[in-house]
Amino acid sequence: QKEVEQNSGPLSVPEGAIASLNCTYSDRGSQSFFWYRQYSGKSPELIMSIYSNGDKEDGRFTAQLNKASQYVSLLIRDSQPSDSATYLCAVNMWTGANNLFFGTGTRLTVIP
Amino acid sequence: GAVVSQHPSRVICKSGTSVKIECRSLDFQATTMFWYRQFPKQSLMLMATSNEGSKATYEQGVEKDKFLINHASLTLSTLTVTSAHPEDSSFYICSARATGGKDQPQHFGDGTRLSIL
Repeated sequence: QKEVEQNSGPLSVPEGAIASLNCTYSDRGSQSFFWYRQYSGKSPELIMSIYSNGDKEDGRFTAQLNKASQYVSLLIRDSQPSDSATYLCAVNMWTGANNLFFGTGTRLTVIP
Repeated sequence: GAVVSQHPSRVICKSGTSVKIECRSLDFQATTMFWYRQFPKQSLMLMATSNEGSKATYEQGVEKDKFLINHASLTLSTLTVTSAHPEDSSFYICSARATGGKDQPQHFGDGTRLSIL
């Protein structure tokens, strides 16, 4: 089982719709969770961090965390073509490792 | 805030050349920096973790004598690809994590696209 799993997509949504990106992780003791956006040929850019169960909103982005289900999601409201990118879920495992564990990413396409 | 500068952005050089990539945290101190490589349409692959003032920790399969890492200060880490060959061509990305522990996010540089002829 991979430490962090995401659907690779592609996920296509029409402009103005809500895009829902999901991520599950294996380490129940994980404490910090991050969503990054990566445009093609570019490096990842931090969008959201979340540490507590529940929702965290920042503009059009909402991160949701459910530690009991080992599930974290990212909602993008009013999706725009400029949101088209690969979204990476990253989890700080409580395994003693010093690094983040990244999912393989979900490719999102917003159709004008 | 949390800006990471990576230089150079692109390198094209002949086989056998050594290439040095710099990663700087511009507005925060980074106890830990990370080096990744990414092949086209693939996910990030962690190469090594660099802690200020100590030896880097390399991931399995990454040759430490091939990829030399130096983290001499809280704002600068360097990766040197020694005697680079065409198979080393890739997108190299650094990230920096602010002091405050492993719950801090990593902030990425813009990456270095390395092409070995």
